[in-house]
Parts: sequence; structure tokens; C-alpha cells
Amino acid sequence: NAGVTQTPKFQVLKTGQSMTLQCAQDMNHNSMYWYRQDPGMGLRLIYYSASEGTTDKGEVPNGYNVSRLNKREFSLRLESAAPSQTSVYFCASSEAGGLGYGYTFGSGTRLTVV
Amino acid sequence: KQEVTQIPAALSVPEGENLVLNCSFTDSAIYNLQWFRQDPGKGLTSLLLIQSSQREQTSGRLNASLDKSSGRSTLYIAASQPGDSATYLCAADQAGTALIFGKGTTLSVSS
Repeated sequence: NAGVTQTPKFQVLKTGQSMTLQCAQDMNHNSMYWYRQDPGMGLRLIYYSASEGTTDKGEVPNGYNVSRLNKREFSLRLESAAPSQTSVYFCASSEAGGLGYGYTFGSGTRLTVV
Repeated sequence: KQEVTQIPAALSVPEGENLVLNCSFTDSAIYNLQWFRQDPGKGLTSLLLIQSSQREQTSGRLNASLDKSSGRSTLYIAASQPGDSATYLCAADQAGTALIFGKGTTLSVSS
């Protein structure tokens, strides 16, 4: 069972470079999410997509863009990476916005911006 | 704005001890309360999910309770083992948005 798959697992970027983090789920879930995890800050929501065709900002959206490509895939783009975006990024999915159901997380992408 | 707080931030216990991790949330309009485990450098593993209509859930040595009216959840670990050492995260599924996380309790169980 693949669940939620994130690529890449590790990435080093130079300041100003761009990149896209990929996320795919095979559970036919409606909702998908991007979080970042930083020491002392916990996990914070960047963007989420309640259903295919919709996206909404979370707590820390600045510097990021997202695309819900189809029901399976939800990508996160950094247009001009900054050292403050060094973090571990997690993608998650849930069946119906969490209504009575839990969330499944990917294994994360460790991003370093130098 | 929903805020989730976990107390204590860190806990060290000897093997075999029973322990309780606490989680509080400010907005009772939640769908579920979910507990996760995270090992250093790893992803999140779901431990227990308590739906808003439920009071508790059990899995093996773990028992989680939910009291929406008081904004509290607890995770009880019975007969702790060194393998239980990890960070435990509590997350409230906020109606209309997404999971809101606490900062976690880091547990160390010594043999």
C-alpha cells in the first residue's frame, strides 16, 4: 500500500532557485494538504485543497504556490527559494476534509536552502 | 483561531511506568482528534483517531480520550517500553480547514 508518496526525499537549493515538490496519493481521497515542520514551531499548514479544483491558504502560505493537478496529485512550488524555507515538508490526504476520518501523511521532503 | 497545546514538552520515565500525555485545544468545533508518533528524522505515524462523537479509543497499550466540552484529550501509555521513545503529536481536525497540531511531547523511556 503506497498511501501518500512525496518526491524528492531530500533537496538542496541555492537562494533564488525554484523547485516543485510533488505529492501523490492512491487512496482516492478528496482532500490534500501541505505542511512544513520546523524545530520549536511544530507542523504548520501551508496550503490545502478540500477537493479537486480548489485550493486555500493555510497559516504560512507566503513564498509558496500550489497546484491540484488532479484528484491524486497536489504539488507545492517555491518560485524563489529563501533560507527561511529550509524545513521538512509533509504532504497529507484525507477522505472528506477529515469528516470523521483521519489523515495520512507522506514520509516528508527535507529541503535545505543555502 | 484554533490553538493546540501539549503538556509536558518533554518527559523521561523508567521502563514499565504508566504515563499520560496531555493535549488541550481552544475551539471545540472539531471533527476529530488524532494522535501521531514521530521518530527522529522520520514521518508521522497515526496512532489513534477519536471522532467527535466518541469519548475514547484504544489500541494495544495506548488509550486516548476526548472531552470536547473542556477542550482536552489525553493519551495514556501503559507499561512503557524503550521502544515507545519518540515525539507524540496531538492534532485537532478543525471544521472547515485542516489538522492543527500541537508542538508535541518528546518521550524518553529508559531501560
